[in-house]
Amino acid sequence: QVLLQESGPGLVKPSETLSLSCAVVGFSISGGYYWTWVRLPPGKGLEWIGSIYHRGNTYNNPSLQSRLTISVDTSKNQFSLKVSSVTAADTAIYYCARLSMDTGLFDYWGPGTLVTVSS
Amino acid sequence: SYVLTQAPSVSVAPGQTASITCEANDIGSKSVHWYQQKPGQAPIVVLYDDSVRPSGIPERFSGSNSGNTATLTISRVEAGDEADYYCQVWDITTDHPLFGGGTRLAVL
Repeated sequence: QVLLQESGPGLVKPSETLSLSCAVVGFSISGGYYWTWVRLPPGKGLEWIGSIYHRGNTYNNPSLQSRLTISVDTSKNQFSLKVSSVTAADTAIYYCARLSMDTGLFDYWGPGTLVTVSS
Repeated sequence: SYVLTQAPSVSVAPGQTASITCEANDIGSKSVHWYQQKPGQAPIVVLYDDSVRPSGIPERFSGSNSGNTATLTISRVEAGDEADYYCQVWDITTDHPLFGGGTRLAVL
């Protein structure tokens, strides 16, 4: 069974950098999928943030691209997200997920972690 | 840009049928996936490729996709079906995944 688990600070100050990691268990991160970040802002719908392949190829949401860094560590079987210059609008539950590029389906998700941007 | 439009909410009595739609230009030419998200939980796939149910999803969940509308149908609705439902496609023009705005299903 594929399990994903997000980790990182739950509170970030405005203008600082949000940093999260996602540990993948039960499947090799080099196994041919894209590893993805999705967020759910309060009162809003799901928003795709970006995805990365184990070789480092990335797809980023154009609305966030200038502030995004997504990286992968195959030795630890995990991937990470950094969002710089955060504002209150970045407050959300952040999910990591596995994305099949063949079907465009997010088939496994982490439980999510709430990140609040506040001073 | 390509936009998936969902009604914000749908209400249905227990035992009745709920229809949740996802509208977009020529969505019938794309594969549509549907996710269910309950409060405090991660989304789960209830249908993929328009109408395929993953193992563990009840037969009460079915889907169709034609023209400009994809539909998730939940028959014999139960209280446990209360959740937000999101449609999702791959937008080939931007080469990115795209979610609809979500529909909250309320079971009266």
